[in-house]
Amino acid sequence: GESVGLHLPTLSVQEGDNSIINCAYSNSASDYFIWYKQESGKGPQFIIDIRSNMDKRQGQRVTVLLNKTVKHLSLQIAATQPGDSAVYFCAEVNNDMRFGAGTRLTVKP
Amino acid sequence: DSGVTQTPKHLITATGQRVTLRCSPRSGDLSVYWYQQSLDQGLQFLIHYYNGEERAKGNILERFSAQQFPDLHSELNLSSLELGDSALYFCASSGARGRGTQYFGPGTRLLVL
Repeated sequence: GESVGLHLPTLSVQEGDNSIINCAYSNSASDYFIWYKQESGKGPQFIIDIRSNMDKRQGQRVTVLLNKTVKHLSLQIAATQPGDSAVYFCAEVNNDMRFGAGTRLTVKP
Repeated sequence: DSGVTQTPKHLITATGQRVTLRCSPRSGDLSVYWYQQSLDQGLQFLIHYYNGEERAKGNILERFSAQQFPDLHSELNLSSLELGDSALYFCASSGARGRGTQYFGPGTRLLVL
């Protein structure tokens, strides 16, 4: 989920389980959204995007769901692996790109 | 590797000083974005340049400025530095004028003492 300040939400899952990371966005007029993954010491890395004319988009092991009614995005990671451990950000894109505070995913072997 | 390069990787300086961070976008990308990432503010958009022209400003302080050169590389200038300016500064590039996937560089870690 979303948060501000130092209280970064944390999700801990067992290797092989599915992960669901949630994000609330603020601008109901936003029509393009991106999920990024940031590993420790690295820059954010593009995972998957979705436009507002869709409510679901699938990639390799990842699925993004968009619920415009409640301004909510989720990222589903199937068969989570230790290499998926990172901070995940959603971003809504208008004239600029605004990021959520992020969720830290920890995968236990 | 995103194809975006940033230098320096680390920078340590003192309050009141001025520093310049450099970014080279992916080959062919015309847009460059600058972000600041600190512990208490998350990832904050600073400024966007497209083909040498400023396109959008975010939460950028007046002490900070940026420019994009004809070869499309960009520099972020931070002056009169304060302790609170310590953060990771990321550059991202995209091929789009204003919307589209942004590819991030590895960042510059700035520490102001």
